[in-house]
Amino acid sequence: DIQMTQSPSTLSASVGDRVTITCRASQSISSWLAWYQQKPGKAPKLLIYKASSLESGVPSRFSGSGSGTEFTLTISSLQPDDFATYYCQQYNSYLWTFGQGTKVEIK
Amino acid sequence: EVQLVQSGAEVKKPGESLKISCKGSGYSFTSYWIGWVRQMPGKGLEWMGIIYPGDSDTRYSPSFQGQVTISADKSISTAYLQWSSLKASDTAMYYCARLSNGVCSHWGQGTLVTVSS
Repeated sequence: DIQMTQSPSTLSASVGDRVTITCRASQSISSWLAWYQQKPGKAPKLLIYKASSLESGVPSRFSGSGSGTEFTLTISSLQPDDFATYYCQQYNSYLWTFGQGTKVEIK
Repeated sequence: EVQLVQSGAEVKKPGESLKISCKGSGYSFTSYWIGWVRQMPGKGLEWMGIIYPGDSDTRYSPSFQGQVTISADKSISTAYLQWSSLKASDTAMYYCARLSNGVCSHWGQGTLVTVSS
């Protein structure tokens, strides 16, 4: 299985901060990476697919980059609605796997 | 509008069987893969398996192979996740999701399964 490792596990930030979350794959997955946002008690929501493509309706402050084994999710200016847990997911093969999640907390 | 509506919360005893459902609407149910994802209390997301309702082609994560059964009834646009003998460790929230080019573009609201004696 392809392992996905996110860092950091927890991130404390303030409204207006630029935030970056990293996801590393145990082997190359080309650009087959997605990012999701999950709020407590809610289903995850797709933010980014194919490493850098913004899902329709997602604010432009979210962006994704990377290829191969190193990927990042960036929030350019953190908003109150963005405090949540973020997961990466690889879909290079049908044995999809998620990262362990990064919780973005209020500083 | 694409919608996935899951069945309600369940409370079961160890050893009991269970089948939960996920009904799709607003799109061609037979044309998209449906996936199931487990989230144990306070933990992250785990990929369980996928099914293509058009021909019932099913793939399982090795961690869940033999532990659950994924099925679909295309006549009623519904996918299922079932257990033959529940364990306390099956206590979790279970989500279904519609896949679009490999990503979970639409999610159900989740079904909470509690297994306790």
